[in-house]
Amino acid sequence: GENVEQHPSTLSVQEGDSAVIKCTYSDSASNYFPWYKQELGKRPQLIIDIRSNVGEKKDQRIAVTLNKTAKHFSLHITETQPEDSAVYFCAASSTSYDKVIFGPGTSLSVIP
Amino acid sequence: DTEVTQTPKHLVMGMTNKKSLKCEQHMGHRAMYWYKQKAKKPPELMFVYSYEKLSINESVPSRFSPECPNSSLLNLHLHALQPEDSALYLCASSQESARVNTEAFFGQGTRLTVV
Repeated sequence: GENVEQHPSTLSVQEGDSAVIKCTYSDSASNYFPWYKQELGKRPQLIIDIRSNVGEKKDQRIAVTLNKTAKHFSLHITETQPEDSAVYFCAASSTSYDKVIFGPGTSLSVIP
Repeated sequence: DTEVTQTPKHLVMGMTNKKSLKCEQHMGHRAMYWYKQKAKKPPELMFVYSYEKLSINESVPSRFSPECPNSSLLNLHLHALQPEDSALYLCASSQESARVNTEAFFGQGTRLTVV
């Protein structure tokens, strides 16, 4: 089955700096890669997603890149703000199975 | 309405109690999910319903019993739980099943404590 790894597990950045979170997946059939943000005590919410026919996608300060050959995908947050502090989960899913596999999460702290 | 609503928000139950968690969505989504989340861990899939039929049971103990009465409602019946079952239980829905790669919308969760 699919296995998603995520690094780093914790990340501290100064406000205004960039943050990068990296994930790898094992199943070459995976073709959809969502990123969820979960603030303390709140529900996970989708912040961006990418499909395997696209190499990069950007939404304001957030971008995601995908390297299908290497089975890597990454989240980039520019000009970080304190409200970006949260746990971020990468995930993968495939048309072959009926579930989304989550990575272990990255706890991001943005220091004002 | 882009909400998934879960009740109750908090639940404390004894190991001999029977209780139910409820989840409701009115987005016309055809797939619904139960996840269990422990502190500082990712959501862990328990059950998937697709078009009101159970499509995945991730080898969950029988003390957890899911039910999908209709396309908008999902229940999780709890009986004889153990203290290690204490966790945040998240319901989610998506327009179609995960095979079609659509966004999952999560409810706020039920914080369950088993005493």
